[in-house]
Amino acid sequence: QSALTQPASVSGSPGQSITISCTGTSSDVGSYNVVSWFQQHPGKVPKLTIFEVNKRPSGVSDRFSGSKSGNTASLTISGLQAEDEADYYCCSYAGISGHVFGTGTKVTVL
Amino acid sequence: QLQLQESGPGLVKPSETLSLTCTVSGDSITSSGYYWGWIRQPPGKGLEWIGEFYYGGSTYYNPSLKSRVTISADTSKNQFSLRLSSVTAADTATYSCARRRSGSGPTFDPWGQGTLVTVSS
Repeated sequence: QSALTQPASVSGSPGQSITISCTGTSSDVGSYNVVSWFQQHPGKVPKLTIFEVNKRPSGVSDRFSGSKSGNTASLTISGLQAEDEADYYCCSYAGISGHVFGTGTKVTVL
Repeated sequence: QLQLQESGPGLVKPSETLSLTCTVSGDSITSSGYYWGWIRQPPGKGLEWIGEFYYGGSTYYNPSLKSRVTISADTSKNQFSLRLSSVTAADTATYSCARRRSGSGPTFDPWGQGTLVTVSS
């Protein structure tokens, strides 16, 4: 099971919106509506930010939103803030292969 | 408040077996509706799902690690463990335990703080 493909880096200015893509296959992202996104600040534990494609856990800002089309899931961060600078990982259920993470995207706030 | 804490040796020799324990407080690993599992992250690299179990149910492993991995539970201590055999330098990583809600996909939350395991002679 190969890792889901994410862009290595995405950047934006404060207040702008950015979108991170997460491309899998028909064996994972394309077959199940259970994609999650995790935010990880340097030296910190990953934090669940989006689950089931577009749901936010309690306490997560509504500036974070998720979507999916075919084999690609996306995370959009609106009104970009300095505190959003972190690494972001998608993760999908992959049937008999269990769960597969994305390659990770470094978000830089310019 | 649910907390998970990993423990175990920080250094393992090549070809030996890595053994870690996750101690859970604030919930029982026998609770229905949750999976308990392990995830690792090599230094400077991405996350990799290792495996998980559902108490009273099945245990699932990453196919790429399946031949070397065993996850087991000790309900008397509310702990679960990871064993990874025949380790190499490629197994050097921070290993974290986490809980996942059943039926919601990869909702790993919360995570333990993670423990760095280095494979070196």
